[in-house]
Amino acid sequence: ELKVEQNPLFLSMQEGKNYTIYCNYSTTSDRLYWYRQDPGKSLESLFVLLSNGAVKQEGRLMASLDTKARLSTLHITAAVHDLSATYFCAADTGTASKLTFGTGTRLQVTL
Amino acid sequence: AAGVIQSPRHLIKEKRETATLKCYPIPRHDTVYWYQQGPGQDPQFLISFYEKMQSDKGSIPDRFSAQQFSDYHSELNMSSLELGDSALYFCASSKTGESYEQYFGPGTRLTVT
Repeated sequence: ELKVEQNPLFLSMQEGKNYTIYCNYSTTSDRLYWYRQDPGKSLESLFVLLSNGAVKQEGRLMASLDTKARLSTLHITAAVHDLSATYFCAADTGTASKLTFGTGTRLQVTL
Repeated sequence: AAGVIQSPRHLIKEKRETATLKCYPIPRHDTVYWYQQGPGQDPQFLISFYEKMQSDKGSIPDRFSAQQFSDYHSELNMSSLELGDSALYFCASSKTGESYEQYFGPGTRLTVT
């Protein structure tokens, strides 16, 4: 059974500083996803990582995937208040298969 | 671009009542997924349908059932509601062979009192 773990669970960030969220998964997974969720809202897709060594960047966020280590990271550069939200990583095991989510990391950016 | 549509957006029910949640996937998407997200928790997979056939089943209580209709919309039926069923229910859809992404709807917030 696929298990996905994230850490930290909560991250208080100072504006302008850099931080990293880690996502480990337990078994071979075809794809790794990162989502953002604002309180009470839907899940917004940030990145889909398809292969070992994949790196994707959008604004201040950069995600990478190491399938050998079964590890994905979400790196935040020069945090700004707009990034405050909960971030989930998720993995699946095949086409059209269910997503297994990590526990989520709640990011709070303070001035 | 068209997104996943869910209705209703909010629903308040009493214990032991029934509820029906509806999901309209993105046009031409052939797979629909249902997830349940309790307060402060990660989304948990309930059930999925591919081309109107159930394709996978997760931790879905026997009190819940779901189906996908000929027009590809899906309904999640919940009976004998319990307080613990209060949650956000998300529907997502994807297109096999085109993209690996699941696109999530806005969710239905179910409150059981």
